[in-house]
Amino acid sequence: EAGVAQSPRYKIIEKRQSVAFWCNPISGHATLYWYQQILGQGPKLLIQFQNNGVVDDSQLPKDRFSAERLKGVDSTLKIQPAKLEDSAVYLCASSFLGGLTGELFFGEGSRLTVL
Amino acid sequence: EDQVTQSPEALRLQEGESSSLNCSYTVSGLRGLFWYRQDPGKGPEFLFTLYSAGEEKEKERLKATLTKKESFLHITAPKPEDSATYLCAVQRNFGNEKLTFGTGTRLTIIP
Repeated sequence: EAGVAQSPRYKIIEKRQSVAFWCNPISGHATLYWYQQILGQGPKLLIQFQNNGVVDDSQLPKDRFSAERLKGVDSTLKIQPAKLEDSAVYLCASSFLGGLTGELFFGEGSRLTVL
Repeated sequence: EDQVTQSPEALRLQEGESSSLNCSYTVSGLRGLFWYRQDPGKGPEFLFTLYSAGEEKEKERLKATLTKKESFLHITAPKPEDSATYLCAVQRNFGNEKLTFGTGTRLTIIP
């Protein structure tokens, strides 16, 4: 079974530039999550989708971050304009039962460095 | 606000030397507590779910236990391949299913 796919794996940009990350969840998983993991910290939820709809985006900095999940499958997370403090690994995860069992399947992440 | 505190931040053990990792939590109505393993450059990998105080789960050399205030991940006779960061997360009993993660314990097993 294919896992959660993310791209790109690495991205280096200058501050104030924009960047986009893509995620393809495990087939059949209705719930998709984007987490931000800063070096030395645990993952922090940015946004959670259930099919096409947003369940939780309370910790998404909406002035610069946006995310969409078209057709309830793939998702894109965009940052515009980027700040130095956005340097982190952006993890995409998916789950079958909406996370009720706590079993999320994570991708390998996209590491962003903002200079 | 939910809080998860893990200790120690880092732990170095000799191969075969058993120990425990701690996860203390504060949450309004715990639905579940979860342990994940994260290898360098990888996403977290699910290990266990614990739902109620007194519950225990085992997988190979790992055993997770839960009380009303904390959880322990016991590692028995560890091997070098057990080296990783171990993350603890909690989920509330109401609202959405958001997981709140701790900062993790970085475990190194020396051959």
